[in-house]
Amino acid sequence: AQKVTQAQTEISVVEKEDVTLDCVYETRDTTYYLFWYKQPPSGELVFLIRRNSFDEQNEISGRYSWNFQKSTSSFNFTITASQVVDSAVYFCALSEVYNNAGNMLTFGGGTRLMVKP
Amino acid sequence: EPEVTQTPSHQVTQMGQEVILRCVPISNHLYFYWYRQILGQKVEFLVSFYNNEISEKSEIFDDQFSVERPDGSNFTLKIRSTKLEDSAMYFCASSRTGDYGYTFGSGTRLTVV
Repeated sequence: AQKVTQAQTEISVVEKEDVTLDCVYETRDTTYYLFWYKQPPSGELVFLIRRNSFDEQNEISGRYSWNFQKSTSSFNFTITASQVVDSAVYFCALSEVYNNAGNMLTFGGGTRLMVKP
Repeated sequence: EPEVTQTPSHQVTQMGQEVILRCVPISNHLYFYWYRQILGQKVEFLVSFYNNEISEKSEIFDDQFSVERPDGSNFTLKIRSTKLEDSAMYFCASSRTGDYGYTFGSGTRLTVV
């Protein structure tokens, strides 16, 4: 069975600080996908990134970066120079691929990030 | 950019009543999903739907729940006899292929009183 753990339930930082959100996963499959979603106070789920298990290259997108370490089953997310608008709940998710069934996502419990001015 | 549209955004219903949550997935997507999120908790998978049938469902998706794609555009989730514990945000999602990332709708907040 797959499992995603986000050990940090809540993080509070001051604007312009860097912050890393941790994500550890468990899966028996060799092929899988990892995701990060942002849930702002308005409640919708905003897609941030998708990464497949064969691609361990780290990714940077503006102030966001992701560190995928297969050896430790981790997919951590760093926000550089945080801003108040980054305040949200962030979810890490994992999907295994089922033939013709679609890819069911297993979500972690989420990390609430509060960025104070 | 194409969107998944969910209606209504908020629904209040009496315990024991039937409720139908509606979703319009992205037009060229083939896989459809429902997830729910009880307030303050994680997002949980309910069901996936492909080729006009349920392809996967979780333990949460019991006989009280059903899904339907009544026409070429809508995808609905029906809860037959709502309970207080069904109060949650329900998210619809769709994907183009089975191994591609989702697009989520903005959710329907269901409150059972």
